Amino acid sequence: AQTVTQSQPEMSVQEAETVTLSCTYDTSESDYYLFWYKQPPSRQMILVIRQEAYKQQNATENRFSVNFQKAAKSFSLKISDSQLGDAAMYFCAYRSAYIGNQFYFGTGTSLTVIP
Amino acid sequence: KAGVTQTPRYLIKTRGQQVTLSCSPISGHRSVSWYQQTPGQGLQFLFEYFSETQRNKGNFPGRFSGRQFSNSRSEMNVSTLELGDSALYLCASSLARLAGTETQYFGPGTRLLVL
Repeated sequence: AQTVTQSQPEMSVQEAETVTLSCTYDTSESDYYLFWYKQPPSRQMILVIRQEAYKQQNATENRFSVNFQKAAKSFSLKISDSQLGDAAMYFCAYRSAYIGNQFYFGTGTSLTVIP
Repeated sequence: KAGVTQTPRYLIKTRGQQVTLSCSPISGHRSVSWYQQTPGQGLQFLFEYFSETQRNKGNFPGRFSGRQFSNSRSEMNVSTLELGDSALYLCASSLARLAGTETQYFGPGTRLLVL
């Protein structure tokens, strides 16, 4: 089974600064999708960004970007110009490109934004 | 388009009772997945339903069961509740039409407390 590892249980960043959250995964498949989800306190989980493994270009969504290193099986999330609203638990997730496979989630990184 | 909805949002039960949770996916989404989220274990996959059939199942005891109706709405049932079943139960839906559209969208969750 695939595994997703987030080695940073907690991170903090000063408002307006940049922070990078790490994620590594283990798979023998060649085609898959990677996701970062954000779960603010007492609020529902929302999709931040998604990356298709067959794309070499790193995905970007406004202040959020990823550094996808397929050979190293690494998928980090960079948040630029951090805002107070970015404070949340961030989950990295993996899913095979083949229909029917489940999502695998990391254990999450709790991000604190310091004013 | 309305998001994923879950009912009830909060529930208190006692050991030995059973509980049924409901999830209504985004209109047009055919896949519904259920997750258990606890502080210690993170997000753990329970099962996924697609077109009224269970397509994937996580490593949970048989006390946890589910079903999906023809309108894609899904229910999850837990029988003989144990204290350890206290958790946030998340439902997520996806189109599941093509591999490229496998992003999951989460509901707000049902917080279950077992006393």
